[in-house]
Amino acid sequence: GQQVMQIPQYQHVQEGEDFTTYCNSSTTLSNIQWYKQRPGGHPVFLIQLVKSGEVKKQKRLTFQFGEAKKNSSLHITATQTTDVGTYFCAGPNSGTYKYIFGTGTRLKVLA
Amino acid sequence: DVKVTQSSRYLVKRTGEKVFLECVQDMDHENMFWYRQDPGLGLRLIYFSYDVKMKEKGDIPEGYSVSREKKERFSLILESASTNQTSMYLCASSLDKFGTGMTDTQYFGPGTRLTVL
Repeated sequence: GQQVMQIPQYQHVQEGEDFTTYCNSSTTLSNIQWYKQRPGGHPVFLIQLVKSGEVKKQKRLTFQFGEAKKNSSLHITATQTTDVGTYFCAGPNSGTYKYIFGTGTRLKVLA
Repeated sequence: DVKVTQSSRYLVKRTGEKVFLECVQDMDHENMFWYRQDPGLGLRLIYFSYDVKMKEKGDIPEGYSVSREKKERFSLILESASTNQTSMYLCASSLDKFGTGMTDTQYFGPGTRLTVL
């Protein structure tokens, strides 16, 4: 079946360093979403990418959707302690309401 | 703002008990979902519902059932709780954009951390 993998599983960075998480799907996705879950919280929607090769920015966060629409990345420039949490990508299972979530990347920022 | 609420933040039950987890959303969303979240495994879909009284199995439905009698409420039922069902359970809802090629944003509840002893 369709699988969505994320790497790395964990990442510790010093405050001010950059961070990137990668999402890879076994099948082509019509779109991809990214969510952030703070420690003790629930996933919160960040962004959706639809077009092949699309790049979107939210302040220090840059999201990319691969040309083949099978992979995506989230890059954070100059991390801050407020960036701590787990970042998930999610892709739709074609033709259904089902969402396939990635395994998540847990980010820890050391002050 | 969309609000998704879950009946309990923490729940402790004994093996063999019947457990009900309730989820309510206030934005008239058609779709509702139940996930469980375990370390290293991400979010795994248990069941989802795209309309009242309609349900479909997700990836890990074994040991669970669901009920959706009203549009705003989606219940997850553990018929006979087992220790391997100890987990964080997350409910989510979304608008229906099926057929448009677009998947709409999911709004999550705060989660219920269930411990089965």
